[in-house]
Amino acid sequence: QQPVQSPQAVILREGEDAVINCSSSKALYSVHWYRQKHGEAPVFLMILLKGGEQKGHEKISASFNEKKQQSSLYLTASQLSYSGTYFCGTAKETSGSRLTFGEGTQLTVNP
Amino acid sequence: DAGVTQSPTHLIKTRGQQVTLRCSPKSGHDTVSWYQQALGQGPQFIFQYYEEEERQRGNFPDRFSGHQFPNYSSELNVNALLLGDSALYLCASNLWGGQETQYFGPGTRLLVL
Repeated sequence: QQPVQSPQAVILREGEDAVINCSSSKALYSVHWYRQKHGEAPVFLMILLKGGEQKGHEKISASFNEKKQQSSLYLTASQLSYSGTYFCGTAKETSGSRLTFGEGTQLTVNP
Repeated sequence: DAGVTQSPTHLIKTRGQQVTLRCSPKSGHDTVSWYQQALGQGPQFIFQYYEEEERQRGNFPDRFSGHQFPNYSSELNVNALLLGDSALYLCASNLWGGQETQYFGPGTRLLVL
């Protein structure tokens, strides 16, 4: 079953923060976050394995709440380059197994 | 370090025709997955190949078939094309049984007229 992402779209000014959520009704092994710009392939951001860990990558970090089967992606001090569509992909088995993607969150960062 | 490569980048076909898309995995990877991404939607899993066998399959008809070669590269074949097959076809690779994610190629954009 497809994970649910929220919000569907968000518009920010440069320097503002945003949170994107991804929820699943099924038990997950891992959550994978990607960013896709128009006409390009999805680019990997980070992976969260079950265990509720939080990871960070410069101004982008994410958490995974195994109890709630929910992951959140945190974008702080947004930059123009952060614009794109963010997808969460979930895996029920190993991290290399099939990913089920949400419908995406369109993020626009304006000057 | 070579990433995932796909060919061709764009393709135009007519209804009823057949198409073959190609993918070479990232260096060191042995597993290839194929996804279909319609405009404005997330990628949808088609199938996954490891050791030249189809290991997992999504909800796609038998018109969609694939193959993996001994060098880990893969092909996606679609027969009897329908207008609804128009999409971006993405190939992703990873190491079987590993804890890492799947890395995507640039995709092949297929237009069926």
